[in-house]
Amino acid sequence: AQSVSQHNHHVILSEAASLELGCNYSYGGTVNLFWYVQYPGQHLQLLLKYFSGDPLVKGIKGFEAEFIKSKFSFNLRKPSVQWSDTAEYFCAVIKTSGYALNFGKGTSLLVTP
Amino acid sequence: NAGVTQTPKFQVLKTGQSMTLQCAQDMNHNSMYWYRQDPGMGLRLIYYSASEGTTDKGEVPNGYNVSRLNKREFSLRLESAAPSQTSVYFCASSELQGASDTQYFGPGTRLTVL
Repeated sequence: AQSVSQHNHHVILSEAASLELGCNYSYGGTVNLFWYVQYPGQHLQLLLKYFSGDPLVKGIKGFEAEFIKSKFSFNLRKPSVQWSDTAEYFCAVIKTSGYALNFGKGTSLLVTP
Repeated sequence: NAGVTQTPKFQVLKTGQSMTLQCAQDMNHNSMYWYRQDPGMGLRLIYYSASEGTTDKGEVPNGYNVSRLNKREFSLRLESAAPSQTSVYFCASSELQGASDTQYFGPGTRLTVL
């Protein structure tokens, strides 16, 4: 079955710590990949996306992600988190022939001062 | 630009009642989508509209109907609400169809069915 897996459901970090959130997918064929963020009380916002080209993509607010095709992974990273990064993070995958974004279950990140 | 707007923000229904969730976008996007988000799960597609005048079922369409009223508006109707439909509903839009483009999301409607 096609699926998107996010390895960590809850992550707690101190400010200035480095962040890496894992995302793996199980789809055949070509896919487009996204990371969305949902800040408390707000709607989903796009952090970054990968459609093609350089597998290392940079997004807003210092986030980046690396697409490793051989590992079916699209991990999100940030070198130094801030308190304002507290949010829920969703990895999403869509087949290039499809319409539906398929989301992982999300990772709740809490950054403590 | 307001982006994607949804009304209402919150709603409580009794089992068997009906209601319509409204969604509008001001980005002149062609495609619109309805998702639901349940605790501990990601978002799942209910229905989508690739372009004005067309609608198609997504992963979880049972119990819902949709109307693409015009290019801006895409409504979701629950004819006879059930407790299993308690969820947060998100509308999204994209300029191009499906995988070709980024989907932009509204603020969500939190629905409780008693």
